[in-house]
Amino acid sequence: ETGVTQTPRHLVMGMTNKKSLKCEQHLGHNAMYWYKQSAKKPLELMFVYNFKEQTENNSVPSRFSPECPNSSHLFLHLHTLQPEDSALYLCASSQDYGGAGANVLTFGAGSRLTVL
Amino acid sequence: DAKTTQPTSMDCAEGRAANLPCNHSTISGNEYVYWYRQIHSQGPQYIIHGLKNNETNEMASLIITEDRKSSTLILPHATLRDTAVYYCIVRVRGTGNQFYFGTGTSLTVIP
Repeated sequence: ETGVTQTPRHLVMGMTNKKSLKCEQHLGHNAMYWYKQSAKKPLELMFVYNFKEQTENNSVPSRFSPECPNSSHLFLHLHTLQPEDSALYLCASSQDYGGAGANVLTFGAGSRLTVL
Repeated sequence: DAKTTQPTSMDCAEGRAANLPCNHSTISGNEYVYWYRQIHSQGPQYIIHGLKNNETNEMASLIITEDRKSSTLILPHATLRDTAVYYCIVRVRGTGNQFYFGTGTSLTVIP
């Protein structure tokens, strides 16, 4: 247990479904991240929230919609996904984002998404 | 961009030291080097980070060259549980300080 909890761990959904991924951290961090990891590809940063404000959106399609109600919780709402969106979705948190000092990321175990 | 270059794969005998190299020749002066590892289908696990000086913790040692253009992660006594993909990471200036993960080094510890 790293202090970052992701649910569900596994999700199978059809292309017309609406589902959500949840991430929760109890580390007192102020920044939270969504990463996507497709098979045999590097981790791709999707979104960053710093003090509940979205600071990065790496040209992610609108079928992925993030929500950060507070510094401890982060959601990724999924709608009308494509089979190529099947991947491991990783949540991470850090003390802050973009500061001059060291910025260690703590990752959750990930949510394995399969889109049929 | 301060990206990294790592060998694609390495093997190490169990009980021996594993030395994983990384090149980061364009790293900025105040940027840290971070090492993470990812065991199959799990989230990446933080190992160690450093700026200029060599660092050691309970998991590993990090040796950074004086010119900071490369570093080596050392696992002093590799075990089978150390089999994983190891990522050397720096932040990329001009992109909101995003971390560049790359494809990492797949380390296999052999019995």
